Amino acid sequence: EPEVTQTPSHQVTQMGQEVILRCVPISNHLYFYWYRQILGQKVEFLVSFYNNEISEKSEIFDDQFSVERPDGSNFTLKIRSTKLEDSAMYFCASNLAENYNEQFFGPGTRLTVL
Amino acid sequence: AQTVTQSQPEMSVQEAETVTLSCTYDTSESNYYLFWYKQPPSRQMILVIRQEAYKQQNATENRFSVNFQKAAKSFSLKISDSQLGDTAMYFCAFMKHVNNNDMRFGAGTRLTVKP
Repeated sequence: EPEVTQTPSHQVTQMGQEVILRCVPISNHLYFYWYRQILGQKVEFLVSFYNNEISEKSEIFDDQFSVERPDGSNFTLKIRSTKLEDSAMYFCASNLAENYNEQFFGPGTRLTVL
Repeated sequence: AQTVTQSQPEMSVQEAETVTLSCTYDTSESNYYLFWYKQPPSRQMILVIRQEAYKQQNATENRFSVNFQKAAKSFSLKISDSQLGDTAMYFCAFMKHVNNNDMRFGAGTRLTVKP
């Protein structure tokens, strides 16, 4: 069964460094998402992406964040200058089509900012 | 804005018993989707069950069923014959029907199934 994959599973970085979290959505999916879950808290929406552009973003998704689909398979989240409070699990999700109601989640990347 | 509220931070149930997790939400939308996701210690988000708001019939998936009360904006999850493997965080989530939107999650309920 096709699945969303994410790499790395765990990323440790120093405050102020740039990180890129990678996701490979399910191949025929068209809509892509990033969510964040700070330890012990709820899952929060960051951004959705369709047709090579951001379709919606939350207030969390400020100028230090960016997303890109550099090729036909990868979907990346870049954090330009990491802060301690960026430490969280980051989940990628993908969706087949507009109004298709199931988002498929990847296993997550645990980001630790020291 | 849509908000999702799970008022039970933690619950426990004996193996083989039935437990109900509560969820309420607030929206002005008339058509939307509701979900329950399970997050075991591995942290993977696993879809348990979904409900389309325009369907009056409550969704069921094996031992999992929902009680969807649209007027009350309530969406509870019932787990029958609880198993040790059901131990996890459970998140209720809301998604608008149009424009393939983001999902809004509740704070979660940590369920422990005791042997």
